Amino acid sequence: DAGVIQSPRHEVTEMGQEVTLRCKPISGHDYLFWYRQTMMRGLELLIYFNNNVPIDDSGMPEDRFSAKMPNASFSTLKIQPSEPRDSAVYFCASSSMQGYTDTQYFGPGTRLTVL
Amino acid sequence: DQQVKQNSPSLSVQEGRISILNCDYTNSMFDYFLWYKKYPAEGPTFLISISSIKDKNEDGRFTVFLNKSAKHLSLHIVPSQPGDSAVYFCAASPLTARQLTFGSGTQLTVLP
Repeated sequence: DAGVIQSPRHEVTEMGQEVTLRCKPISGHDYLFWYRQTMMRGLELLIYFNNNVPIDDSGMPEDRFSAKMPNASFSTLKIQPSEPRDSAVYFCASSSMQGYTDTQYFGPGTRLTVL
Repeated sequence: DQQVKQNSPSLSVQEGRISILNCDYTNSMFDYFLWYKKYPAEGPTFLISISSIKDKNEDGRFTVFLNKSAKHLSLHIVPSQPGDSAVYFCAASPLTARQLTFGSGTQLTVLP
């Protein structure tokens, strides 16, 4: 199994530009999560999907952030327009409910730098 | 409001000795707990978990202990190996929810 795949691994952009991060979850997993890691706030959940439907987006910081999951094997996180304070590592994770609990499997992350 | 706290940002241990990483939580709704390990430039990797119906779970060199009354859990690594050097995150969630709340992490360094 290839695990969770994220692209790009690194992104450098200028303030005001649109940024799109991509994620391919593990095949067969029906939950997908987007996290952001910063020095100040640590690892925080932004949004998660179940069967391609957004369930909780309360962690999305602003309207500049949006996420979609058009099918079971692909999701995007878009920032438009980007700002320097969006610089962080963005992780995608997926999981499949087993019994009452599940384990989330993380991708390698996308390091975003907004100049 | 930090619902999951790892008060030690770093820990150094000699190879072969025991490493003990601690985690405290405040939300009494949490009843599923996980430990993740993270190497630089990689995503967090699941290590071990425990549900609130247990107070101990073992997997090889790794053991997690849960003290519900104290809202405290710990990860024991015995014996510690240099390859265990990484950042360890504690995470928690209610059984009925999918969201994980993470601690700030502890950098473990195992000295050869």
